[in-house]
Amino acid sequence: DAGVTQSPTHLIKTRGQQVTLRCSPKSGHDTVSWYQQALGQGPQFIFQYYEEEERQRGNFPDRFSGHQFPNYSSELNVNALLLGDSALYLCASSFFGLTGRRAGNTDTQYFGPGTRLTVL
Amino acid sequence: KQEVTQIPAALSVPEGENLVLNCSFTDSAIYNLQWFRQDPGKGLTSLLLIQSSQREQTSGRLNASLDKSSGRSTLYIAASQPGDSATYLCAVRTTGANSKLTFGKGITLSVRP
Repeated sequence: DAGVTQSPTHLIKTRGQQVTLRCSPKSGHDTVSWYQQALGQGPQFIFQYYEEEERQRGNFPDRFSGHQFPNYSSELNVNALLLGDSALYLCASSFFGLTGRRAGNTDTQYFGPGTRLTVL
Repeated sequence: KQEVTQIPAALSVPEGENLVLNCSFTDSAIYNLQWFRQDPGKGLTSLLLIQSSQREQTSGRLNASLDKSSGRSTLYIAASQPGDSATYLCAVRTTGANSKLTFGKGITLSVRP
């Protein structure tokens, strides 16, 4: 049973560029959440996708956008990169289902290995 | 707004010692609390999840407790080993349809041989 996978592993970009990160959820999961983890900090919630729609969003600017595909995989896009966007980007998957839609997602989240983004 | 605090930021202990890692949170209206382990530059591995109705969970040498009323959780590691060296993060899931995970900054543990 494949866990959560992310690509690429590492990425180096320059200021002003755009980047796309990819995530495949754990088998059987339908929800993908993205987190940004700066060095020495805990992960910060960016947004969550379920049924191909953004369901929740953290305190991140519109430069951060995403997409979820019918197979539940997801992309995170960041435009106009800033030096401060350098971080480890983590993807987490979980099962939301019908119960989750009513009561909120309470299931355990499984995290991928992350993508290390460096902005020069 | 939920805030999660983990103190101290770093801890160094000799091998074999039993130790306790602390986590505190400001809003007691939570669904659950989760402890994660993170090795340098890697993703997160879930260690234990405690539902809001539970008081503790155990897995091997790990035991996590939850006291919602006081906004505290502890992760107890018995007979620590060098392989336990990692950063341990506490995360709280808030209640409501828009629940999300809020993380602490983590405690970096070093177990000396």
